[in-house]
Formats: sequence, structure tokens, C-alpha cells
Amino acid sequence: KAGVTQTPRYLIKTRGQQVTLSCSPISGHRSVSWYQQTPGQGLQFLFEYFSETQRNKGNFPGRFSGRQFSNSRSEMNVSTLELGDSALYLCASSLGSDANTEAFFGQGTRLTVV
Amino acid sequence: AQRVTQPEKLLSVFKGAPVELKCNYSYSGSPELFWYVQYSRQRLQLLLRHISRESIKGFTADLNKGETSFHLKKPFAQEEDSAMYYCALRGLTGGGNKLTFGTGTQLKVEL
Repeated sequence: KAGVTQTPRYLIKTRGQQVTLSCSPISGHRSVSWYQQTPGQGLQFLFEYFSETQRNKGNFPGRFSGRQFSNSRSEMNVSTLELGDSALYLCASSLGSDANTEAFFGQGTRLTVV
Repeated sequence: AQRVTQPEKLLSVFKGAPVELKCNYSYSGSPELFWYVQYSRQRLQLLLRHISRESIKGFTADLNKGETSFHLKKPFAQEEDSAMYYCALRGLTGGGNKLTFGTGTQLKVEL
């Protein structure tokens, strides 16, 4: 079956702009989580959506937001981009919230802010 | 708060030597611990979880609640084990799929 798909793979944006990243989970998966990966901070949790509702949120400013659609696809938006937002953004999908549900990761979107 | 610590950024071993990647965690409730691996140019993938108590590709990890550790071990390293390894924690209280990752250890297996 198809894995987690993230689009686009690469993005270059200018400071102050906004950006939207997309994640298509594995078919049947209802949970989508987003992570930011940087060399300095490693993998940091942004938020999780389950059945169109945000269930968990990490310690990121309000410029980072997301949503999930009825087909479980998710989008992440970053407004007023800063140089420090340059990172690899990873999406992970899971069946649900029970124990023994594995998180499957996408290949990520590489965002560069100039 | 949940926290995962991987003290080694880089671990270099010779082929056939034993491997131990260290992971310590801090969490007040019941944790679920994982090891994820990222091979060169591939996506992050699950290697093993403590609940399964299984050996994957010769790797094992035992959850030690007394020492709050979940070290990854393999008796004989292979060249194909070279990769980035991340220890991760999910809190079982409160639900959700939030994973807290360590900073990762780059394992390099030399011939």
C-alpha cells in the first residue's frame, strides 16, 4: 500500500511569507502528526490531528497551525516565516491512538527560508 | 514533561563488534518506548518498540524502569547497520500519538 506522501518535497520562501505543507496519510489512518527536524533541535513535535480535531500541540508559536480534512489528509501552515523556520518538516500517520499503533513517516518537506 | 536523552552523537564500531546505543528517559506516567532508524536517503522508520519485546535485525532493547533506560543492543554489528538511530517516547497516559525524540545517535560500522 502507498506510504505517507508529503508535498512539496522542497520549498524556498522569503522571510515574512507564509507556506502550506501537505500530508496524505496511509489509507485508513486517522491520526496525523507533524514534526520539525533541525540539526540543532532534532525532531520536535508540532501537533497531532485525529478525526479532524487537534489532539496534541507542541511548544511552537501560533504562527504554526494545521488542520485535517475528512479524508484524513492534513495541511500545516506557517505564517510570517522566519529564517529559523528553515527545517525538514515530517508528517507521520497512525491508525489511531491505542497502544501498538505504529507511526509511519513521510519523506518530509525541506523548507528553506531566505 | 517528557524527555529523552541520547548521550552519544556518534558511535563508531568495527564490523562484528557489539553495539550499544544508550537512551534514558524522563516521564512521570507509563511510557511506551521506541527505537526509530533512518538509513541514508530513506525515511524514518520504526525499528522496535518495548511492548513487542522482539528482536529486529538482531537488535534488542529492554525497558528498565528502575534506571529509566531503553538501550539498544546488538551482539555483532554489520555494515548495513550504519544509520541514524532515534530513541522515542510516547506517554500512555493522556492518549495521543505525540512522540518525544532524543537527539539521535549516528552509528558508523567500519570494516
